[in-house]
Amino acid sequence: EAQVTQNPRYLITVTGKKLTVTCSQNMNHEYMSWYRQDPGLGLRQIYYSMNVEVTDKGDVPEGYKVSRKEKRNFPLILESPSPNQTSLYFCASSPDRGDGYTFGSGTRLTVV
Amino acid sequence: EDQVTQSPEALRLQEGESSSLNCSYTVSGLRGLFWYRQDPGKGPEFLFTLYSAGEEKEKERLKATLTKKESFLHITAPKPEDSATYLCAVRTNTGFQKLVFGTGTRLLVSP
Repeated sequence: EAQVTQNPRYLITVTGKKLTVTCSQNMNHEYMSWYRQDPGLGLRQIYYSMNVEVTDKGDVPEGYKVSRKEKRNFPLILESPSPNQTSLYFCASSPDRGDGYTFGSGTRLTVV
Repeated sequence: EDQVTQSPEALRLQEGESSSLNCSYTVSGLRGLFWYRQDPGKGPEFLFTLYSAGEEKEKERLKATLTKKESFLHITAPKPEDSATYLCAVRTNTGFQKLVFGTGTRLLVSP
């Protein structure tokens, strides 16, 4: 089944404790992206990647890092999480820059 | 600044009662308008892409249309399973790798 898989689905952590949210797609898509979704603000892009080793900032990149060492994987790294990073996170992939994204099921992160 | 506004925020319909959702946009060059459906606790599910004014797409009870300033998602004879949040997003000249999303319309269809 063609899909974008994120892990974990739920995560509660403490301020300052480094964490990684994994994302993997099995559709051989070149384009991948991370979004966060907050009530009243909609989905906002954090980072995106156009191919292996090619990444760039979205609208809200502060406090996040990404890497794209393999085409199928695009992990999101929070080096020192803070409570304002509590949110619902989505990974998405697309075969071409003009196409719609396929989204993962989301990761609900709570930072206390 | 690219902006997407969806209305209404919430809509309650009776089963079979047709209606339309609106997505208005202000962008510096539209490179595609996307409609997604999102169920609670799940990721957005892609529905349609529209690229130019006058274009229309249909899928089951849903029909999306596009003008130079807005898009409509028409829902004909909705069923309870159409209940979801419908999201509109645009891709523009200034941010070709970015989708700018509206905040969505929550649709509830009662039997």
